[in-house]
Amino acid sequence: DTGVSQNPRHKITKRGQNVTFRCDPISEHNRLYWYRQTLGQGPEFLTYFQNEAQLEKSRLLSDRFSAERPKGSFSTLEIQRTEQGDSAMYLCASSSMVGTLNPYEQYFGPGTRLTVT
Amino acid sequence: AQSVAQPEDQVNVAEGNPLTVKCTYSVSGNPYLFWYVQYPNRGLQFLLKYITGDNLVKGSYGFEAEFNKSQTSFHLKKPSALVSDSALYFCAVLTDKLIFGTGTRLQVFP
Repeated sequence: DTGVSQNPRHKITKRGQNVTFRCDPISEHNRLYWYRQTLGQGPEFLTYFQNEAQLEKSRLLSDRFSAERPKGSFSTLEIQRTEQGDSAMYLCASSSMVGTLNPYEQYFGPGTRLTVT
Repeated sequence: AQSVAQPEDQVNVAEGNPLTVKCTYSVSGNPYLFWYVQYPNRGLQFLLKYITGDNLVKGSYGFEAEFNKSQTSFHLKKPSALVSDSALYFCAVLTDKLIFGTGTRLQVFP
């Protein structure tokens, strides 16, 4: 168990550019979540997957945002036409609701810090 | 709507003294409550959770929390604070996803 990993750890981009982040969950976890955290705030839910199915999307997830989990393993979060307001820490978490002693615990990755200039 | 509130932006405590970080919740049905800690430039680490059972929940690093249904609270406690406990603490409620409070910065002074 190597934990949840996220890449890149930091991304600086210019307004209007597209960016893509990757999350690799704990291998046996079937649920994967994306959250966004801005300075001084708690993380806010963006979307989550159960296996490859995207089950819920927050209203925070505008049409410039898209997330995929094509084979039920890693996930990508893409932001098109970035805006300065997209600057934040993007956190990924995973959990398993099946066959585990800890079905409700979400394990978080270190996050990807996005700065839009 | 499900929510949690952390009324204190910052809590200051001297090392060796007991600490309390407050959390109240608003949930329909039975609440699933969590505490997470965040150190600078790092992701969130799970501390403890209340799902059902004993109202006093023990977690990592000597932390514990008391679930109080009548006061709709889930305060985080530790009998003796350490300087290394200084971090940002988040209370959260689980629906299909975690809904976090705004966080409380704990500062433990030597």
